[in-house]
Amino acid sequence: ETGVTQSPTHLIKTRGQQVTLRCSSQSGHNTVSWYQQALGQGPQFIFQYYREEENGRGNFPPRFSGLQFPNYSSELNVNALELDDSALYLCASSLGQPRGDTQYFGPGTRLTVL
Amino acid sequence: DAKTTQPPSMDCAEGRAANLPCNHSTISGNEYVYWYRQIHSQGPQYIIHGLKNNETNEMASLIITEDRKSSTLILPHATLRDTAVYYCIVRVQTGANNLFFGTGTRLTVIP
Repeated sequence: ETGVTQSPTHLIKTRGQQVTLRCSSQSGHNTVSWYQQALGQGPQFIFQYYREEENGRGNFPPRFSGLQFPNYSSELNVNALELDDSALYLCASSLGQPRGDTQYFGPGTRLTVL
Repeated sequence: DAKTTQPPSMDCAEGRAANLPCNHSTISGNEYVYWYRQIHSQGPQYIIHGLKNNETNEMASLIITEDRKSSTLILPHATLRDTAVYYCIVRVQTGANNLFFGTGTRLTVIP
């Protein structure tokens, strides 16, 4: 069974740029959730995708957007990067609706915005 | 959302049992208690979860009080590799199935 993978591992961008982060869900999982973890804080929920549709969103502005593909992999896009976007971005996959199963996390992508 | 309260830090001697407490006094009847841990700069690792009954797996045991207002995660024989931040989470029963992480307990296992 393949676990959750994320790419790239590390990324450095400058303010105003755009970034795309990728996540491959665990085999058999159809739901992907994205989280942002600032230094010293717990992960904060960004949004979730279930069967290619956004299925809930946390308190993040619209410049944070996502996609889920038919194979259930997912992308997180962030436009107009700000310094405060520097964080560890985590994705987690699960079996999803209706019971909302356990989420399993990937290793994360460390984004640094200069 | 039910909130959880955990001590910010704890120490445990290597080989001894680590008992990590969590208060969740506003938990709803259909909300589960989940435990994750995060070793420095890695993704959170699922440990265990439960609803009412005590649970045990190869990693840990979860003891939930009868009134469900608190729980304890037990690592029976702590090793240095168990040093991590441990998060107790009450899972929100919404369509999004998202997890609300607090600040967790930083467990340090001492040789």
